[in-house]
Amino acid sequence: NAGVTQTPKFRVLKTGQSMTLLCAQDMNHEYMYWYRQDPGMGLRLIHYSVGEGTTAKGEVPDGYNVSRLKKQNFLLGLESAAPSQTSVYFCASRRQGASTGELFFGEGSRLTVL
Amino acid sequence: GQQLNQSPQSMFIQEGEDVSMNCTSSSIFNTWLWYKQDPGEGPVLLIALYKAGELTSNGRLTAQFGITRKDSFLNISASIPSDVGIYFCAGPYNNNDMRFGAGTRLTVKP
Repeated sequence: NAGVTQTPKFRVLKTGQSMTLLCAQDMNHEYMYWYRQDPGMGLRLIHYSVGEGTTAKGEVPDGYNVSRLKKQNFLLGLESAAPSQTSVYFCASRRQGASTGELFFGEGSRLTVL
Repeated sequence: GQQLNQSPQSMFIQEGEDVSMNCTSSSIFNTWLWYKQDPGEGPVLLIALYKAGELTSNGRLTAQFGITRKDSFLNISASIPSDVGIYFCAGPYNNNDMRFGAGTRLTVKP
């Protein structure tokens, strides 16, 4: 079972460039999330989706956009990357009816913005 | 917003030793969760606690939901090298958001 798969695993961008991170889950989960992890700060929620075609802002949404055109995919976009967006990004999913905390995470995508 | 404070920030222990770590909150949580992150991997849920005072075990791991609902504790008994990683506490902020602590980084020396 693949679970939650993120691509790419690593990326280096120059300031001002754009990119998209792809998250795919094969567990038929309704809910999907994008978190960022920074040293000493734990994980912080960027955006989330409660179902196909829906998205909502989390704790730190500025500078990011998301789309959930298909149930199994959740895309995170950076329109104009900034050095402050250097981080490790994690996608997670949760099945409907599960506790809020019962998340399944991907392996992470390490982004460096120069 | 709700803040979760984990301590200690890091621990260096000898294989076979027991480990204790805790998490405190500035406000009440109705659920406490403990995740482990192996190096280069995403977090994995270890234990979920749903009731104040609850004590739950998962193998060598035991976690407790504090009576005040503002803290939680995780203990690991007889540590082994594969216990290495970062341990996060977390709690629901609302129906769709979680707040995570900054993590306790555990190193186990053989």
